[in-house]
Amino acid sequence: TQTVSQSDAHVTVFEGDSVELRCNYSYGGSIYLSWYIQHHGRGLQFLLKYYSGNPVVQGVNGFEAEFSKSDSSFHLRKASVHWSDSAVYFCAATGYQNFYFGKGTSLTVIP
Amino acid sequence: GALVYQYPRRTICKSGTSMRMECQAVGFQATSVAWYRQSPQKTFELIALSTVNSAIKYEQNFTQEKFPISHPNLSFSSMTVLNAYLEDRGLYLCGAREGFGEQYFGPGTRLTVL
Repeated sequence: TQTVSQSDAHVTVFEGDSVELRCNYSYGGSIYLSWYIQHHGRGLQFLLKYYSGNPVVQGVNGFEAEFSKSDSSFHLRKASVHWSDSAVYFCAATGYQNFYFGKGTSLTVIP
Repeated sequence: GALVYQYPRRTICKSGTSMRMECQAVGFQATSVAWYRQSPQKTFELIALSTVNSAIKYEQNFTQEKFPISHPNLSFSSMTVLNAYLEDRGLYLCGAREGFGEQYFGPGTRLTVL
């Protein structure tokens, strides 16, 4: 079974804090892993992706994610969050013919 | 660069009527197009995957009779929601990719059913 799991449905932090949003995947072949952000009432915005090479990938607005094959993970991190980072974050895995979304993690940043 | 456009961005229809939404890929060849619905609970459901020269594959709980999809060329796809009811409301996303490349998403069509 191919799945994408985001273990935290909600995360709340204060502005300036660091944050890590967790994503674990289960897939038997080559995949892209990516993160998207969705602000309230809006569509999806691409943040970053990993396919091969350096396991730490940089994205927009100071986000980065690290791929770990041993942990089957692709966690998203930001060193210092801003209130405007409050949104829902989706982890996704793209296989040969399929695409899987996690259920999303709602991040609330308290000013 | 690669972009995916969707239109309309928002639409309202009366219960029992149908509405058509479109997806256009620019800057790459959309050999496969996937349609998703984001429910009010925020999870994404895959409706169907359309791959050029293959039959459209619908996921469980979604049928061609309810969500007919057209994928006539490598840049365009459309999906119709037939006989829309309240449970069909949500954000409909189109995701397109070329071969085993990255999947690009459109901004979505938000459907409201009155």
